[in-house]
Amino acid sequence: DIQMTQSPSAMSASVGDRVTITCRASQGISNDLAWFQQKPGKVPKRLIYAASSLQSGVPSRFSGSGSGTEFTLTISSLQPEDFATYYCLQHNSYPLTFGPGTKVDIK
Amino acid sequence: EVQLVESGGGLVQPGGSLRLSCAASGFTVSVNYMSWVRQAPGKGLEWVSVIYSGGGTYYADSVKGRFIISRDNYKNTLHLQMNSLRVEDTAVYYCVRDNSGPAGPWGQGALVTVSS
Repeated sequence: DIQMTQSPSAMSASVGDRVTITCRASQGISNDLAWFQQKPGKVPKRLIYAASSLQSGVPSRFSGSGSGTEFTLTISSLQPEDFATYYCLQHNSYPLTFGPGTKVDIK
Repeated sequence: EVQLVESGGGLVQPGGSLRLSCAASGFTVSVNYMSWVRQAPGKGLEWVSVIYSGGGTYYADSVKGRFIISRDNYKNTLHLQMNSLRVEDTAVYYCVRDNSGPAGPWGQGALVTVSS
């Protein structure tokens, strides 16, 4: 099975900050990676698919990059509604695997 | 409106069984890949199972041999039959349309609690 790791596991940031979250796969997954945002008590929401494609309706301050084993999610200017937990997911092979999550809270 | 509505969650004893249902509207379950994803209380997301449009299925190792994903094409509904339930299966279970992984829409979630 492909293992996914994320760093950091948690971070504190301020509105307006540039935030970068890293996701690593235990083996190459091409660009078969998605990013999800989840707020407390809410269902997850896909932000990015195919490593760098923005889901329809997602603000352009979110961007993704990477291929192979290392990927990043960047929020160019953190907004109040962006405080949440972020997960990466590999869909290159079954079983699909999520990263453990990165919690972004208010500094 | 494209929507998924789940039902069937509840409290069950270890070793028991439960069947979750997920009724779709606004799209056809049988021509899509459909997945189940779960989240234990206070924990991260865990992919559980997928059913392909062609009927093929895959499972996470943690549920293989105990859970069965299926669909009812006439009722446009996805199911997850959960047998031999364990305490560690306690979670909110989400159904979700799959397109290069879970894409959306997501169901509202069904809480399954396994406890004696």
